[in-house]
Amino acid sequence: GESVGLHLPTLSVQEGDNSIINCAYSNSASDYFIWYKQESGKGPQFIIDIRSNMDKRQGQRVTVLLNKTVKHLSLQIAATQPGDSAVYFCQNSGYALNFGKGTSLLVTP
Amino acid sequence: EPEVTQTPSHQVTQMGQEVILRCVPISNHLYFYWYRQILGQKVEFLVSFYNNEISEKSEIFDDQFSVERPDGSNFTLKIRSTKLEDSAMYFCASSDLAGWEDTQYFGPGTRLTVL
Repeated sequence: GESVGLHLPTLSVQEGDNSIINCAYSNSASDYFIWYKQESGKGPQFIIDIRSNMDKRQGQRVTVLLNKTVKHLSLQIAATQPGDSAVYFCQNSGYALNFGKGTSLLVTP
Repeated sequence: EPEVTQTPSHQVTQMGQEVILRCVPISNHLYFYWYRQILGQKVEFLVSFYNNEISEKSEIFDDQFSVERPDGSNFTLKIRSTKLEDSAMYFCASSDLAGWEDTQYFGPGTRLTVL
């Protein structure tokens, strides 16, 4: 996969607040992006994806924003819950997913 | 909702022994993958498999590793002679289309412990 990088290794938010996890990529030709989360002891879990012909995509409590001009995407989680505590990864297209170290989201009560 | 399943959930083996990790990908998927995650480290790509052959592999996937789709539903990872450093979580994944076009869905993993 191409180079993608998350901005912060850790993010701590209070339960009920909104969370924003940011990611930058280097290849302007990338046309498909995926957000995964990994809870402790579990496999990566698909959250949401977006293709380059879109700027925004919404799921249940999650929104992904894609800014192709600055090669940046973000994952917004509304009303963050304790169950959202996990490591989050952004990925772009490619067979060999390169997960990097992710952003660890910690939700505090 | 269809999901990837893996067995066993935990495998303990002696160094030098052969192990086979099993996966049942989502039934209509065509692309299959193995990843591993050493405790406390990142998830690492091992191999991808399509149309009964390896399509891509990493440096980790050396001659000690092999993959097979023995029938229409299973996808296996064999480690011929396990080493201590093979201890890790092994995740299987599958996708409907090629990885650059579609999402890979991951199984719950097999924890391999080599003693």
